[in-house]
Amino acid sequence: DQQVKQNSPSLSVQEGRISILNCDYTNSMFDYFLWYKKYPAEGPTFLISISSIKDKNEDGRFTVFLNKSAKHLSLHIVPSQPGDSAVYFCAASDNTNAGKSTFGDGTTLTVKP
Amino acid sequence: NAGVMQNPRHLVRRRGQEARLRCSPMKGHSHVYWYRQLPEEGLKFMVYLQKENIIDESGMPKERFSAEFPKEGPSILRIQQVVRGDSAAYFCASSVGRGLLEQFFGPGTRLTVL
Repeated sequence: DQQVKQNSPSLSVQEGRISILNCDYTNSMFDYFLWYKKYPAEGPTFLISISSIKDKNEDGRFTVFLNKSAKHLSLHIVPSQPGDSAVYFCAASDNTNAGKSTFGDGTTLTVKP
Repeated sequence: NAGVMQNPRHLVRRRGQEARLRCSPMKGHSHVYWYRQLPEEGLKFMVYLQKENIIDESGMPKERFSAEFPKEGPSILRIQQVVRGDSAAYFCASSVGRGLLEQFFGPGTRLTVL
């Protein structure tokens, strides 16, 4: 039972346009969500997070939206840059298992110059 | 401030041998997590440790796998009698505390079992 799903394995966008990466979850106990970015041969790096008490969090070009009723979150990158090309992982955790994050399978983003 | 360090970066073992993967958390971090990434898949949680304690090992296979985080020294993930299906990238992450959920990842150890 995969509790965090990223249904699009890949996404390709043109430089300067918006990239939208989606993530769905099934566990209603999840109350904290994170996005990580991963380059080949490197470990994931934290990008942005959102608590379930919010529905939006913004950091520069990156915005995460949370729709709790739909159990859906999305990461918006605007404008997209070629350096954003990487694998993006959505992760979720709940307060009772604060040490354990459940990851999606990732979406490979390619930003074309 | 050095980040999370893992060694070796690449490890090749023959079936039946033991694999030892090491992780040194970031300075000041006392919480360590191990994840495994199989080809074409996401990161799967394996185990969460604090110094000298295993907090959550719900993602760890019941046999052949063990982990420790001693009072002194790095955290060790040990895989005994490796099989081809153990070939994967193993990532270690650390955090300051349980309540702070941002985890800092190491570069990973890529294990290949021949």
